[in-house]
Amino acid sequence: AQKITQTQPGMFVQEKEAVTLDCTYDTSDQSYGLFWYKQPSSGEMIFLIYQGSYDEQNATEGRYSLNFQKARKSANLVISASQLGDSAMYFCAMRGLAGSQGNLIFGKGTKLSVKP
Amino acid sequence: DTAVSQTPKYLVTQMGNDKSIKCEQNLGHDTMYWYKQDSKKFLKIMFSYNNKELIINETVPNRFSPKSPDKAHLNLHINSLELGDSAVYFCASSQQTQPHSPLHFGNGTRLTVT
Repeated sequence: AQKITQTQPGMFVQEKEAVTLDCTYDTSDQSYGLFWYKQPSSGEMIFLIYQGSYDEQNATEGRYSLNFQKARKSANLVISASQLGDSAMYFCAMRGLAGSQGNLIFGKGTKLSVKP
Repeated sequence: DTAVSQTPKYLVTQMGNDKSIKCEQNLGHDTMYWYKQDSKKFLKIMFSYNNKELIINETVPNRFSPKSPDKAHLNLHINSLELGDSAVYFCASSQQTQPHSPLHFGNGTRLTVT
């Protein structure tokens, strides 16, 4: 069975500093995708970044990067130069190929608060 | 030109009532989903539809029934509403043929059962 674990219920970061949100996963699939979503207080789910299991380089999207360590089954999100607007819930999610039918499995989320 | 739109945004109703939430996507995706987000923010898959066929049903009570008139729409019908059904319900879509493509979510429907 697939599982996503986010061990940080809440995190604080000072504005303009970098922050790392942890995510570990478990799967028997050889091919899978890892995703991060942001949910601000307004409630919408915003896709941030994707990492494929066979990708050799870590994914980057603007201020977001994914620190992918396949052997350790971790896919941490790094946000550089934090902004007040980054305050939100962040969800790590995984999608396999075999039998999952494209279903995204989510972690429990991390609430990030950016301090001015 | 919202990609995934769901209505209503808020739904307040009494126990025992029947209600529906509508979802439409204009992305040309062939798979649509319903997720439930509980009070602790945990997101759990309820249903997914691929080419108008149900392909996932994660032990959801049969009071919940998805209905898809075409691949751009996936509506959620809920019968005999219970207090425990209060949650935020998200519709999403993806291109099934691209399994590593992200799911695109609607803005959610906050259901409150009193």
